Amino acid sequence: DADVTQTPRNRITKTGKRIMLECSQTKGHDRMYWYRQDPGLGLRLIYYSFDVKDINKGEISDGYSVSRQAQAKFSLSLESAIPNQTALYFCATSDSSSETQYFGPGTRLLVL
Amino acid sequence: QQQVKQSPQSLIVQKGGISIINCAYENTAFDYFPWYQQFPGKGPALLIAIRPDVSEKKEGRFTISFNKSAKQFSLHIMDSQPGDSATYFCAASLGNNRKLIWGLGTSLAVNP
Repeated sequence: DADVTQTPRNRITKTGKRIMLECSQTKGHDRMYWYRQDPGLGLRLIYYSFDVKDINKGEISDGYSVSRQAQAKFSLSLESAIPNQTALYFCATSDSSSETQYFGPGTRLLVL
Repeated sequence: QQQVKQSPQSLIVQKGGISIINCAYENTAFDYFPWYQQFPGKGPALLIAIRPDVSEKKEGRFTISFNKSAKQFSLHIMDSQPGDSATYFCAASLGNNRKLIWGLGTSLAVNP
């Protein structure tokens, strides 16, 4: 079983719709991250959480919100989706004692 | 601005050749420099990492060379194989925060 899972794996939605991407992990890590990947732009950090009560904005948080429901779950919401949010979204986890980040398989989002 | 600059953006190498990807950083306080490998349809995964107290680290066919004075580090893939075809990201982090600052990635294709 995968240690970091993301649902859904693919999603098509329309402009203005609210959608939620979910991430779960069984690694017991306290830190979780949401990134988006666009061709030529690498990985950009949207939000990160160092524990359940800690939420921090990344470099591109506008238009996104997150919820850390439990140590193992970190959700990303697009309140009103727009076409330029079309991208590949990754969740990642890490332990506070290590720099290594473990990535989920990604969610491919298309906003029409 | 980009704190970690990665080059080239894409690279084509013949099987058996040496692949070299370079990264330059600005912040001398960075204390951890990983390389991640990403195959199509997958999330990035840690390949190899180095700290600034050593100038080179080797793991199998993969070597990181680190030049502290030049603020540069590079990934060398010896005897490149078609299975090495992937996108490679360099990154850097510092301190307890351990948030990774990413390069934009290099798409490597190894021709058979």
